[in-house]
Amino acid sequence: GESVGLHLPTLSVQEGDNSIINCAYSNSASDYFIWYKQESGKGPQFIIDIRSNMDKRQGQRVTVLLNKTVKHLSLQIAATQPGDSAVYFCAERSTSYGKLTFGQGTILTVHP
Amino acid sequence: EAQVTQNPRYLITVTGKKLTVTCSQNMNHEYMSWYRQDPGLGLRQIYYSMNVEVTDKGDVPEGYKVSRKEKRNFPLILESPSPNQTSLYFCATSLSSYNSPLHFGNGTRLTVT
Repeated sequence: GESVGLHLPTLSVQEGDNSIINCAYSNSASDYFIWYKQESGKGPQFIIDIRSNMDKRQGQRVTVLLNKTVKHLSLQIAATQPGDSAVYFCAERSTSYGKLTFGQGTILTVHP
Repeated sequence: EAQVTQNPRYLITVTGKKLTVTCSQNMNHEYMSWYRQDPGLGLRQIYYSMNVEVTDKGDVPEGYKVSRKEKRNFPLILESPSPNQTSLYFCATSLSSYNSPLHFGNGTRLTVT
């Protein structure tokens, strides 16, 4: 498969556990945030997004939390499955110019 | 099926030989963008387009060209490829440039020798 990063943060969990992946963003003017999942050999896949007027948003098995005070974003995955193993990226967008800036990513490994 | 299609998926070429990587989307999205992904450097934006005939430089535009003559296509052109352009390239599109997520193609692995 493709290697998307060297020395990325890693998170190893057992199947069925809950996973929490964290991201610190840099631009206080950013007001739209996205989480992506990237599997080996594929492009980043949209998981969930959140606007800055919210602090929590839930999807299917996933929850994104936004703390604007400390510029921190987290992705919670409930009942993690082996198919969740991938690299997870956060991205921030500043509406002043619309550019999407990506974090370095976290490697999630789920053990059966 | 809504999709972003890049071609080719894999390309090996030699220094200086012009090449084009195509990107096509069937979602009627206004915004299209090219990224390169390199180990340790993450995803970096090369060029983007807010709409037809409107293109702008991203963070790493040197050595690349793009065009947006029609809404669905956004080719990436390397006029004279060099080894430092060996990378994994992604085309991405979104409905607009604000508050809508990017949808990515499956990538083009380019090797320049």
